[in-house]
Amino acid sequence: AQSVTQLGSHVSVSEGALVLLRCNYSSSVPPYLFWYVQYPNQGLQLLLKYTSAATLVKGINGFEAEFKKSETSFHLTKPSAHMSDAAEYFCAVSDRGNAGNMLTFGGGTRLMVKP
Amino acid sequence: NAGVTQTPKFRVLKTGQSMTLLCAQDMNHEYMYWYRQDPGMGLRLIHYSVGEGTTAKGEVPDGYNVSRLKKQNFLLGLESAAPSQTSVYFCASRDSTSGRFTDTQYFGPGTRLTVL
Repeated sequence: AQSVTQLGSHVSVSEGALVLLRCNYSSSVPPYLFWYVQYPNQGLQLLLKYTSAATLVKGINGFEAEFKKSETSFHLTKPSAHMSDAAEYFCAVSDRGNAGNMLTFGGGTRLMVKP
Repeated sequence: NAGVTQTPKFRVLKTGQSMTLLCAQDMNHEYMYWYRQDPGMGLRLIHYSVGEGTTAKGEVPDGYNVSRLKKQNFLLGLESAAPSQTSVYFCASRDSTSGRFTDTQYFGPGTRLTVL
């Protein structure tokens, strides 16, 4: 079974600082990985996804993530945080072994950006 | 396109009451999902459907039922609500015509349910 662990339920950074949100996965097959963002009182929207085409994936709003098979990680980064980045971020893995192609989510990391 | 919509946005129930949450999508997607979101636990799959007339259990199906009578709609029912079902419920849909596991799931805005 797939699983996802997000280290740090809350991360606080200053505006302009580096954002690093950690995600580690467990998968018996090569994984497909996703990062979703949830702004307050909204649904989830896709930030980026790893589809095995390239290990460094660029997403929307200046975010990117690097797939590292040796570390079973897919950490999300942004060079310079903006106040509008304050949200909850979820890492997810696609369960390819199931007919429903379900996503298994991590517990989420709430990003706070200080002025 | 409205994308994925959910009705209602908020609801308060008493223990033992029943209700139905409606999810609608206008993207002609085959796959639809119901998740619940609880603090610190991310999203957990309740039930899903791979097409009209089909449903299947997810990770946490107990206490819920679903129906997919029309391709665009996916209903989630609570027959006898319990306080443990207080949560935020999200519906999602995705296309499957490509057969790819990497297709994006599109989420609705959520329904906040409180069971007293």
